[in-house]
Amino acid sequence: GAVVSQHPSWVICKSGTSVKIECRSLDFQATTMFWYRQFPKQSLMLMATSNEGSKATYEQGVEKDKFLINHASLTLSTLTVTSAHPEDSSFYICSAQGDGELFFGEGSRLTVL
Amino acid sequence: EDQVTQSPEALRLQEGESSSLNCSYTVSGLRGLFWYRQDPGKGPEFLFTLYSAGEEKEKERLKATLTKKESFLHITAPKPEDSATYLCAVQAIRGRALTFGSGTRLQVQP
Repeated sequence: GAVVSQHPSWVICKSGTSVKIECRSLDFQATTMFWYRQFPKQSLMLMATSNEGSKATYEQGVEKDKFLINHASLTLSTLTVTSAHPEDSSFYICSAQGDGELFFGEGSRLTVL
Repeated sequence: EDQVTQSPEALRLQEGESSSLNCSYTVSGLRGLFWYRQDPGKGPEFLFTLYSAGEEKEKERLKATLTKKESFLHITAPKPEDSATYLCAVQAIRGRALTFGSGTRLQVQP
């Protein structure tokens, strides 16, 4: 089946620094990828839709200048959390559509000290 | 606005004790209803997609069914390794993001 890979799987950073998370579709091309955020014991909340070759579409309440999304190729989307603060600590998950279904990456746990 | 409600929030079963998880939804034109399993600290693992009312799909001890308003995930004779959070989600249009329910945390005790 289709595979979506995320890197890094976990990252710890100091407040004020920026962190980049990569999402790759390993065996299929994805013109659209989705970025979700998940807090402990809560469900996935859509942050933005990443479109290859164009600007991302952000959900209401998500700061586009804080969460920079780049979808430069058909197999790679990146999420950069800029000037991270402790409240940005969360589990970030990407997904992409392949073989007619939506597959998810393993997630990236961000901890901001 | 698409909405997904899952119940119960948490479920504790004895090994071998069959049960069902519920997913109620409202969506403007259903393209697909998805079931995922999520283990702690991991991304969701795809289980099933259902496309139309009356459709059923099975995988090992799991069986998913769909009506026009809800979906059920039946777990037959569960084992401890079935313990996880089960997520239900709907997709209104192909290529659009999923709307997730809050999940059901299942614990199967030996």
